[in-house]
Amino acid sequence: QVQLVESGGGVVQPGGSLRLSCAASGFTFSSYGMHWVRQAPGKGLEWVAFIRYDGSNKYYADSVKGRFTISRDNSKNTLYLQMNSLRAEDTAVYYCAKDQEAFDIWGQGTMVTVSS
Amino acid sequence: AIRMTQSPSSLSASTGDRVTITCRASQGISSYLAWYQQKPGKAPKLLIYAASTLQSGVPSRFSGSGSGTDFTLTISCLQSEDFATYYCQQYYSYPPWTFGQGTKVEIK
Repeated sequence: QVQLVESGGGVVQPGGSLRLSCAASGFTFSSYGMHWVRQAPGKGLEWVAFIRYDGSNKYYADSVKGRFTISRDNSKNTLYLQMNSLRAEDTAVYYCAKDQEAFDIWGQGTMVTVSS
Repeated sequence: AIRMTQSPSSLSASTGDRVTITCRASQGISSYLAWYQQKPGKAPKLLIYAASTLQSGVPSRFSGSGSGTDFTLTISCLQSEDFATYYCQQYYSYPPWTFGQGTKVEIK
């Protein structure tokens, strides 16, 4: 079945780094753009980053620009989010989502906590 | 960036009620509007896209309408499994893709 599974979350100190992964299955990963969306505890949804199906274009929210990098490996059906210079306000559940007009498939999310 | 504003922020309703949630865009977005349902501890689930098209597998008691700046999500006969938070999202002008702040539907 169509599935996205995130991993790589955890607790990191302010200024630290973390890399999230999103493993895709059940669809042709290389044909679709992919997003990262986050949700701080008790808050709403915030779009974080997007990458085109072939990796040729990448977009970022202003809040993460210059600190986060989205990438993908179509040979491994995997999406990544490299997060550097992490701040307390980056604490959130991070979801990957498939782009088909709207965000039609979501992973279960991985929790990132930035705390000393 | 296009700002999405939902109303109300929360509502209390009973099983069997008809529920309406409104979403307003800060500028025209044609019909590039999606609705998502999120239950506690779970990922969002796509309900409706293109303002009024029901995603496969979503019950027909859910419906969406509107175009331009004003949109509505209606649940015709609220079921126990519908108590959740609902978000609208525009995908007309990006980046950024933007979401409303959410509407929590609670049991009365």
